[in-house]
Order: sequence, then structure tokens, then C-alpha cells
Amino acid sequence: EVQLVESGGGLVQPGRSLKLSCAASGFTFSNYYMAWVRQAPKKGLEWVATISTSGSRTYYPDSVKGRFTISRDNAKSSLYLQMNSLKSEDTATYYCARRDWDGSFDYWGQGVMVTVSS
Amino acid sequence: DIQMTQSPASLSASLEEIVTITCQASQDIGNYLSWYQQKLGKSPQLLIHSATSLADGVPSRFSGSRSGTQYSLKINRLQVEDTGIYYCLQHYSAPTFGSGTKLEIK
Repeated sequence: EVQLVESGGGLVQPGRSLKLSCAASGFTFSNYYMAWVRQAPKKGLEWVATISTSGSRTYYPDSVKGRFTISRDNAKSSLYLQMNSLKSEDTATYYCARRDWDGSFDYWGQGVMVTVSS
Repeated sequence: DIQMTQSPASLSASLEEIVTITCQASQDIGNYLSWYQQKLGKSPQLLIHSATSLADGVPSRFSGSRSGTQYSLKINRLQVEDTGIYYCLQHYSAPTFGSGTKLEIK
């Protein structure tokens, strides 16, 4: 059974940093692109980052480019999101997702809440 | 960036009714379109991928179609458990989601 379990969320002050983790199991992690998607309270879904199988290629929307860094450790079947210079608008539930061969997100974690507030 | 215009924003329908949700892409995205269902307090779940292919374990009353740059999700014989918010996602380029459709049962 595919499982994705996020951790590392919490309350953080504006301008500070936070690192999220996602532990994957039930599939060969190193064979899949992985992604982060977020959802602000009572809002829609927003793609945040994608990483290739080896980690050599990463992709971000303009809203987080230069502030967020996605990475992975295939030996540990783990995905990470380093978030720097956090802003109030980064407040959201962050989901780890597996990207299937056609680009769809076929499995999602349960999500982890990040609140950016002073 | 590719924009996905999703409609309607909300929808109320009766049990056993047929409902359709649409997404209009701002440019050609081929079949790089998927649909997701999000129930209250839960993470999204994949329903349809490659515009028309049913994801594993999804009931056959869900179906996807494409006409040019317009994509549709159809739910036949609406059930109580279909309540939730539905999103489309284009992944032809940098992924962008539609704004969501809130589906309620009358």
C-alpha cells in the first residue's frame, strides 16, 4: 500500500524558515517524480514544487521560486521542502504527492499545516 | 502560465442525477488533464487521468471527456458519498489547478 506521511509543520514567524518532510512507503520511491502541493485555509489547490527521480531537476512556480527548495533522499525514501523567508501568504496545508508517468498526482499524503504568523 | 477556468463554482443536485463539471484550458494541453475529488478535511484523490482514464478503484459512474481545450467530468447516478470539492489539473506545463467546484446533494 502506497503511503505518504508528512511532518514538520507548525507555527513560524514571518521571515523565518521551516523544513517539511515526507516519508514514503509501499512503492519504489526512486522511480517517481515527487511534488508538493499546498492549500491555504478554505482556498483551492496550488502546486508548489516538483523534483525529478534523481533530484537533479527541480521546478517551482514564481510564488515560491528562490525561497523554497525541494529535495529528496532516495536511500531514505524521503522528500523534503525547505521553506525560507516565509510570508503570511505561505500559510497552508502542505501535501506531498507522487507524480505518475502522465504528470497526474496519483497519491497524496494527509497533509501538514504550516502557519506563518507573528 | 496556462489558466484553467472551471465551472460551475458550486452545484447542488439530487441523488441519482447526472452532473457535469467543466474546465476550459487557455491553450492546448492535449490530454494532460486530471480530475480530483476532495472530501471535507481530507486530502485530494485522483479520479481521472489523461483526460479520460479512470484511476484505480474509482467507481465507473465517474467519467472524463475532452472536446478541444474543454474538459468535462461527468458523474452518473449521483451518490451521497460524491459530496465534496472537485478540481481539474493541467500538467502539460507548470501544473495549474482549476478553482474548484463544490458539489452538494439536495
